[in-house]
Amino acid sequence: GAGVSQTPSNKVTEKGKYVELRCDPISGHTALYWYRQSLGQGPEFLIYFQGTGAADDSGLPNDRFFAVRPEGSVSTLKIQRTERGDSAVYLCASSPNSGTSSYNEQFFGPGTRLTVL
Amino acid sequence: KNQVEQSPQSLIILEGKNCTLQCNYTVSPFSNLRWYKQDTGRGPVSLTIMTFSENTKSNGRYTATLDADTKQSSLHITASQLSDSASYICVVPYNTDKLIFGTGTRLQVFP
Repeated sequence: GAGVSQTPSNKVTEKGKYVELRCDPISGHTALYWYRQSLGQGPEFLIYFQGTGAADDSGLPNDRFFAVRPEGSVSTLKIQRTERGDSAVYLCASSPNSGTSSYNEQFFGPGTRLTVL
Repeated sequence: KNQVEQSPQSLIILEGKNCTLQCNYTVSPFSNLRWYKQDTGRGPVSLTIMTFSENTKSNGRYTATLDADTKQSSLHITASQLSDSASYICVVPYNTDKLIFGTGTRLQVFP
C-alpha cells in the first residue's frame, strides 16, 4: 500500500482480555515504531524495531505489553490482561532508515483506538 | 528532564486570519525539530523538519522558525483555511531512535 496501515481501526474489549494490534508498514521501510496516544496528549514512544529485532523497548509500560516483527515487515503489538488504563490510540510509524536524523522521517498510520471496558 | 512544551493548548481563529503556535524544548543534545499536523482520528503528518543550522523553513502557508539558543520554535500559519483545523504537534528526537512529542496545540478555524 501507499502508506502505513493499522488494523483494526477500533477495538473494544473487556478488562482482563488479550488483544493484538497489527501494523503494516510502508514497503521497504526497515524501521518500525509503536506509540501510544492518550486523549489530549502527544504520542509516547513504546518500542522501536530495526528489521526483525526490537532495538529499543524501553517505552513499554510493563510486561503485559509485547511486540513482534518476525519477518521484518508486519508488526503486532500484543497486550495481555488488559486494564482500563490501556485505553488509548496506538499509533504505528515506519521509516526507511533507522535513527532520528533529519533525513529519517517517520510516516504514521491512522492508529488503532483501543477501549477497555 | 527532556521535555517539549507547547502553547497555547487550544486556539480558535476565523478563516483567513494568521496564527502562531509556540514550542519550547529542553531535549539535549539537539539534532532536529519537527512539526506535525494531526487531523482528528488520523496519524500525525510531517509538516517540516528543521536542523540546528536552520532558522526558518516554509512549507506552503506554514512557516516554522527555530532558535536553538533559546530552544524555541514557532509555527506560523498564514491565511488560515477550514482544513487547517487540527492538532499541531512539536516533536524533538531524543537519542538515536526516540521522538519526544509535545502535547500539541488544537487549532480550530471557523468560517
